[in-house]
Amino acid sequence: DTAVSQTPKYLVTQMGNDKSIKCEQNLGHDTMYWYKQDSKKFLKIMFSYNNKELIINETVPNRFSPKSPDKAHLNLHINSLELGDSAVYFCASSLGQGVGAQYFGPGTRLLVL
Amino acid sequence: KQEVTQIPAALSVPEGENLVLNCSFTDSAIYNLQWFRQDPGKGLTSLLLIQSSQREQTSGRLNASLDKSSGRSTLYIAASQPGDSATYLCAVVFSGGYQKVTFGTGTKLQVIP
Repeated sequence: DTAVSQTPKYLVTQMGNDKSIKCEQNLGHDTMYWYKQDSKKFLKIMFSYNNKELIINETVPNRFSPKSPDKAHLNLHINSLELGDSAVYFCASSLGQGVGAQYFGPGTRLLVL
Repeated sequence: KQEVTQIPAALSVPEGENLVLNCSFTDSAIYNLQWFRQDPGKGLTSLLLIQSSQREQTSGRLNASLDKSSGRSTLYIAASQPGDSATYLCAVVFSGGYQKVTFGTGTKLQVIP
């Protein structure tokens, strides 16, 4: 009965590889987000989707490509991974863009070697 | 520029003490403000959401207030317990544009038994 789930929980990979992170929510929310938390624990929004439509696309390298197959899922694909991509990536969801409370997934800890 | 600041960055208090965490934001035109806690290595847990039209919200030993005119919110924790030890984050949705969520840098709280 997990509200927002992410897979995998940990991801260790080599520079240059391509990887994906999956997110699913069972709260019936219409908006989903991807956040990056860096080593200093600062959380910054990357993308926001409302009803499968991209709403927010912050200054993120185009190596990062989100995909929302339906309202309950928002996946993040990263091409040509770099050392600086190492961080914790959080998925979140809410009812309405910036309206309802946001609920976060447990995070995916990505380490690029 | 719309920014969110939390001071202090870290706080250590003895068990049983009442305490206040601060959150400041640079633009009074906000949609809502949400307080979260983050335990080490974990995701974010939503504590309280205050809409722009509200002055405060309460949940158990927690009380959050909002003063838009001064650009401030406080999270009051009554009778602190060691289990309250975590990092507390505030997140502001500024009005206009795409209602993007901006997080503060967090206050790391330690409650000493």
